Amino acid sequence: DGGITQSPKYLFRKEGQNVTLSCEQNLNHDAMYWYRQDPGQGLRLIYYSQIVNDFQKGDIAEGYSVSREKKESFPLTVTSAQKNPTAFYLCASSISDSYNEQFFGPGTRLTVL
Amino acid sequence: AQKVTQAQTEISVVEKEDVTLDCVYETRDTTYYLFWYKQPPSGELVFLIRRNSFDEQNEISGRYSWNFQKSTSSFNFTITASQVVDSAVYFCALSEGPYRQNFVFGPGTRLSVLP
Repeated sequence: DGGITQSPKYLFRKEGQNVTLSCEQNLNHDAMYWYRQDPGQGLRLIYYSQIVNDFQKGDIAEGYSVSREKKESFPLTVTSAQKNPTAFYLCASSISDSYNEQFFGPGTRLTVL
Repeated sequence: AQKVTQAQTEISVVEKEDVTLDCVYETRDTTYYLFWYKQPPSGELVFLIRRNSFDEQNEISGRYSWNFQKSTSSFNFTITASQVVDSAVYFCALSEGPYRQNFVFGPGTRLSVLP
């Protein structure tokens, strides 16, 4: 089945540690996105990529980094510079540009201990 | 300025009632797209519908229907004969152009359908 997978589903991290969240899609989509969602809040864009080897900062990129070395993969690293990393992280993809609907993965819930 | 407004933060209805979720948007573009997504308790957002600015026909899909009115800049979503499984947060979104910086989600409306 085509879709987006995110792993792990739950992640615990100690303060000061970097952690990488995985996002893989087999939909052959060009564009991929990372969102952060805090409890009871909407979605905020962290990073997006419209093509391999290219990505752009979203609204809240500070403390995060990404790479896009393969079309199907868009991992997100939460660095120790991110002051409040505890949140729900959602990865999405779309065929090409923002005129198209985005399809979402199941999310990763990150908790900093 | 917020470009997508979902004024209803939370709505509670009893099963089998009809419910309408409001979405008001703001744009100066003549070409744009509107979307609705559902986020059930599991967390994964589910795409429901995409509508372009040139198509004002209302859409019906089973118990779901959408009313797009450019005159009032609204794209409202109605669930007929609601069910407990409809309980979720619903997001309206606007895309004003092909680039990611032109895409914005509304704040969401939490719908609780009580048995």
